[in-house]
Amino acid sequence: DAGVIQSPRHEVTEMGQEVTLRCKPISGHNSLFWYRQTMMRGLELLIYFNNNVPIDDSGMPEDRFSAKMPNASFSTLKIQPSEPRDSAVYFCASSGETQYFGPGTRLLVL
Amino acid sequence: AQSVTQPDIHITVSEGASLELRCNYSYGATPYLFWYVQSPGQGLQLLLKYFSGDTLVQGIKGFEAEFKRSQSSFNLRKPSVHWSDAAEYFCAVGGGNTDKLIFGTGTRLQVFP
Repeated sequence: DAGVIQSPRHEVTEMGQEVTLRCKPISGHNSLFWYRQTMMRGLELLIYFNNNVPIDDSGMPEDRFSAKMPNASFSTLKIQPSEPRDSAVYFCASSGETQYFGPGTRLLVL
Repeated sequence: AQSVTQPDIHITVSEGASLELRCNYSYGATPYLFWYVQSPGQGLQLLLKYFSGDTLVQGIKGFEAEFKRSQSSFNLRKPSVHWSDAAEYFCAVGGGNTDKLIFGTGTRLQVFP
């Protein structure tokens, strides 16, 4: 298996622009997680899905963030409008019995 | 409250020395326990996991961890550290195969030649 796939791997954008991060989970996994990692706050769980249904979105910072999982093989995390404080590494992970992480998307908002 | 504590923020060891990274957890149900490693600029890689059974579990890269229920601990060990083990190590606890994980704040390991 190719593992969890995330795209893009790097994203540089200007404040106010929309950013869309993409994730393809491992086939057969029924849970998907979005995390954000920064030096200041460490690793934070933003939202997770089970069988494509959002279960817990209490970690989503504010209404500028939204996540969708239209099918079992694809999820997006959208930030609109983006702000410099959103600069971070965003990880997607999928789980059957164990969580496996993708390589992350490094986002820089100027 | 559910939590994971990694009391050591930063550990420095010499190459070839033994290593133990501490992890304590608080969890209301039977815990599923994990150790992940993150090298600079990389994602988190699973080192090992404990679900049930033998309390001493073996992982990749020569690591092992021991679950001690009485101490609510799941410490990670390696008998001889290699320079390539320099990374950040995260302990995590969860309750089931689709449940979210609670992560510790991580321990950064530095290895001197």
